[in-house]
Amino acid sequence: ELKVEQNPLFLSMQEGKNYTIYCNYSTTSDRLYWYRQDPGKSLESLFVLLSNGAVKQEGRLMASLDTKARLSTLHITAAVHDLSATYFCAVDMKTSGSRLTFGEGTQLTVNP
Amino acid sequence: DTGVSQDPRHKITKRGQNVTFRCDPISEHNRLYWYRQTLGQGPEFLTYFQNEAQLEKSRLLSDRFSAERPKGSFSTLEIQRTEQGDSAMYLCASSLGLGLAGGNEQFFGPGTRLTVL
Repeated sequence: ELKVEQNPLFLSMQEGKNYTIYCNYSTTSDRLYWYRQDPGKSLESLFVLLSNGAVKQEGRLMASLDTKARLSTLHITAAVHDLSATYFCAVDMKTSGSRLTFGEGTQLTVNP
Repeated sequence: DTGVSQDPRHKITKRGQNVTFRCDPISEHNRLYWYRQTLGQGPEFLTYFQNEAQLEKSRLLSDRFSAERPKGSFSTLEIQRTEQGDSAMYLCASSLGLGLAGGNEQFFGPGTRLTVL
């Protein structure tokens, strides 16, 4: 059974600081997704990582994928309050219609 | 707006009643997924359709749950004899289903929040 673990689960940081969220998964998969969820809202797609070594950046967020280590990172640079949200990584199972298995989420709070 | 839409957005029902939710995917997407999310957790897969065919169901989907996608467009999720444990956000997502080589980015609807009293 595929398991996806994120850490930390809760992250409180000051504006202007940098931090990294980690996502580990238990079985082989080459496709990893990052989503953002604001309270009471649905999920917004942030990044799609399709191969080993993939790196994508959008604004203050950068995501990378190491399939050999079964690890993805979401790096936050110079955080701003607007980044406060819950971030989920998700992995799809090649043999299972690409349904997504999600991590527990990292609740990020950026304080002024 | 051509995103995924869901109806209703909120549903409050009494235990034992039946409820039905609707999802309209992005029009050119042939895959449609249902997930359930409880407070503080990530979404959990329930079932998915490729066009009108329901290809996989999670063990989470008890006999009280049924989903359809009659013409390969919109989908419905029905829960019979609701229980308090069914209270959750029910999310629908759709994708192009590009196959193993390509990504299968799923786009989520706003969700239906179900409260069972």
